[in-house]
Amino acid sequence: EDQVTQSPEALRLQEGESSSLNCSYTVSGLRGLFWYRQDPGKGPEFLFTLYSAGEEKEKERLKATLTKKESFLHITAPKPEDSATYLCAVQPSGNTPLVFGKGTRLSVIA
Amino acid sequence: NAGVTQTPKFQVLKTGQSMTLQCAQDMNHNSMYWYRQDPGMGLRLIYYSASEGTTDKGEVPNGYNVSRLNKREFSLRLESAAPSQTSVYFCASCTIQGMGEKLFFGSGTQLSVL
Repeated sequence: EDQVTQSPEALRLQEGESSSLNCSYTVSGLRGLFWYRQDPGKGPEFLFTLYSAGEEKEKERLKATLTKKESFLHITAPKPEDSATYLCAVQPSGNTPLVFGKGTRLSVIA
Repeated sequence: NAGVTQTPKFQVLKTGQSMTLQCAQDMNHNSMYWYRQDPGMGLRLIYYSASEGTTDKGEVPNGYNVSRLNKREFSLRLESAAPSQTSVYFCASCTIQGMGEKLFFGSGTQLSVL
């Protein structure tokens, strides 16, 4: 069974305090791993796609990395506007929908 | 750009009542999805339609039905609402199934069943 586990469930950081969010997965043939950001009262919005181990993507203060078993979302010097829930999802092989993790709720305090 | 539009945004039902959640997309996407999101449970797939004319069950389909009315519209029906169906419902669409970078979500419907 395809599974995605995100940790921690919640993370509270001081502004400028760098950290990482984890997404571990078991999937029958990974076609892609995706990170989304979700603000309160809104639908998730796409951030990154990673396709193969060793791949990295960056956007402003965020960097996503991928290994054969997990992905990390590194947040460097976060600001309060980075506060959101971050969702990880995987695309298994075959023509099936994405499988989502439960998310990490990030709070950045000024 | 409208993107994915869901109606209504909020709804309160009594146990046993029925209702239909509407979803429409204007991006000419082939695939459409209905998810529910509950605290601590993440996004769970209810039903999806990989292309016009097809629908399939997701992880939690019990108590729901769907209709892919045309390429633009995908509705979710609760025939006899139960308190366990209190949740936030999201509709999403995608050019081709599996293209997560092209998966767009609506703003959600908050449903309470009393």
